Amino acid sequence: EVQLVESGGGVLRPGGSLRLSCAASGFTFDGYGMSWVRQAPGKGLEWVSGINWNGGGTGYADSVKGRFTISRDNAKNSLYLQMNSLRAEDTALYHCARFASGSYYNPLDYWGQGTLVTVSS
Amino acid sequence: EIVVTQSPGTLSLSPGERATLSCRASQSVSSTYLAWYQQKPGQAPRLLIYGASSRATGIPDRFSGSGSGTDFTLTISRLEPEDFAVYYCQQYGSSPLTFGGGTKVEIK
Repeated sequence: EVQLVESGGGVLRPGGSLRLSCAASGFTFDGYGMSWVRQAPGKGLEWVSGINWNGGGTGYADSVKGRFTISRDNAKNSLYLQMNSLRAEDTALYHCARFASGSYYNPLDYWGQGTLVTVSS
Repeated sequence: EIVVTQSPGTLSLSPGERATLSCRASQSVSSTYLAWYQQKPGQAPRLLIYGASSRATGIPDRFSGSGSGTDFTLTISRLEPEDFAVYYCQQYGSSPLTFGGGTKVEIK
């Protein structure tokens, strides 16, 4: 069974930094691209970032480019999101999701339940 | 960036009725790289349709997708009680990937 479990969320001040993690199990992690998708309270889905199977290709939403960095450790079956210069508008539930194949030009076929990030002064 | 717009924002229907949801992209979506997701309160989204018209594993055949270029449609032929939820379309042919704002299908 595919499982994606996010961790690392919390409450922090504007300008702060946070690193989210996603532990993957139940599939061959290095065969799939991975992604972060966020959802602000009561709002819709927003794609944040994606990374291909070997980390050689990444993509970002314009709203986070230059502030967030996605990475992965295939030996640890883990995905990460380093979030810097956080803003109030980054407050959201952050989902880890798996692309259906190795690149991020694919649909997202499995999702985690998310970890909540709250940015507030 | 491809902007994706969904309509209507809310659809009020009764069980057994047909639901038709629209998704429009600001530019042509390459190779019909268009997906639909269902999200229920407190749950993660679930993939329903990919490639504009292919059903994901385990999705009932009352769900169907169609369209190409900039205009896409999700149809639920006969609404079951468990189908009342929010539906999102997403283009994944061009980075950044983008979602529509969602259509809520509610019980009338």
